[in-house]
Amino acid sequence: AQSVAQPEDQVNVAEGNPLTVKCTYSVSGNPYLFWYVQYPNRGLQFLLKYITGDNLVKGSYGFEAEFNKSQTSFHLKKPSALVSDSALYFCAVRDIGTNAGKSTFGDGTTLTVKP
Amino acid sequence: DAGITQSPRYKITETGRQVTLMCHQTWSHSYMFWYRQDLGHGLRLIYYSAAADITDKGEVPDGYVVSRSKTENFPLTLESATRSQTSVYFCASSQQGVNTEAFFGQGTRLTVV
Repeated sequence: AQSVAQPEDQVNVAEGNPLTVKCTYSVSGNPYLFWYVQYPNRGLQFLLKYITGDNLVKGSYGFEAEFNKSQTSFHLKKPSALVSDSALYFCAVRDIGTNAGKSTFGDGTTLTVKP
Repeated sequence: DAGITQSPRYKITETGRQVTLMCHQTWSHSYMFWYRQDLGHGLRLIYYSAAADITDKGEVPDGYVVSRSKTENFPLTLESATRSQTSVYFCASSQQGVNTEAFFGQGTRLTVV
């Protein structure tokens, strides 16, 4: 079974500092990895995805993610955090076997950016 | 309007009542999903559908029923609501293919009293 883990429930950073939200994965075969963001009282919004190719993936709102096959990680990063980046972030992996189509989500990491 | 919409946004119901949450998408996406979001559990998949008339159980299907007679609609029914089903429910859709992202509705906050 495929799975992702987000080891930190909460990440706090100061505005202007770089941020990292961690995600590790466990898959059989090639990983198809995604990051989503959820603002209060809203549904999840897609940020970026890794399918194949470059290990550094660029996405929406200045976010990027680094895929590391040897460490089975897919950490979300941003060079300079904004207060408006404060939200709940989810890492997800897409199934590729007989259940292709559905995704498994991590438990989420709450990012708080303080002014 | 284009997109994925859920209704109602908020619902309070009594234990034992049947309640249906609606989901409608305008993209003709093949896949549709129902998740519930609870504190400490993240997102858990209830049911999903690969196409009209094809549905399958997710991680937590007990107490729920789905149908998909049309590609664009994927209603979720709680046959006899229980307090443990108090949650925020999200519907999502995606195109076919493992490299496609999901698009989520705004959610339905359901309270069972």
